[in-house]
Amino acid sequence: SQKIEQNSEALNIQEGKTATLTCNYTNYSPAYLQWYRQDPGRGPVFLLLIRENEKEKRKERLKVTFDTTLKQSLFHITASQPADSATYLCALLMAGGSYIPTFGRGTSLIVHP
Amino acid sequence: KAGVTQTPRYLIKTRGQQVTLSCSPISGHRSVSWYQQTPGQGLQFLFEYFSETQRNKGNFPGRFSGRQFSNSRSEMNVSTLELGDSALYLCASSPALQGSGANVLTFGAGSRLTVL
Repeated sequence: SQKIEQNSEALNIQEGKTATLTCNYTNYSPAYLQWYRQDPGRGPVFLLLIRENEKEKRKERLKVTFDTTLKQSLFHITASQPADSATYLCALLMAGGSYIPTFGRGTSLIVHP
Repeated sequence: KAGVTQTPRYLIKTRGQQVTLSCSPISGHRSVSWYQQTPGQGLQFLFEYFSETQRNKGNFPGRFSGRQFSNSRSEMNVSTLELGDSALYLCASSPALQGSGANVLTFGAGSRLTVL
């Protein structure tokens, strides 16, 4: 069956450290992978998009990698801050179809001062 | 520019009732998608509308329906509410045309439905 797996346990890190979140998938062949941030009581907010033929994408303190062989994406936040505390969702978009994002359940990140 | 607006933000209904939720997309965005979010299932795709036509549909029963108006505003309706319909209902808009792979969604804040 098709699965998108994100760690259900919260990730707790100290301010200033690098946070690394994982998105694994099975039985999907995504053409694109997106990462969103969601704060409590709010809708998700788009952060980054990476294409299947791209290995890495950066935006300010954020970095995303995409390994289609391992079927995995890693999302890094460097020099993390308490304001980065939120739930982070990955979403897959399949080629040749509707490009409707299919979301993982998200991982909660808590950055301690 | 204004973001995606959803109304109402919170509502409480009882089993068997029906509910209508409204979504105003970003100006110029023609695609509106609806998702249901629960702690157990995460974000589940309901349907997508483009130019007043349902273009894609998720795996939800027929009690869940929607429509889109000529100004791109969208509504979704849930009839014969069940306890399990309690969730955050999120609307998202995008300018995406069919086949546009990036399809970045801009979400509203959601409508929190509680069914008693």
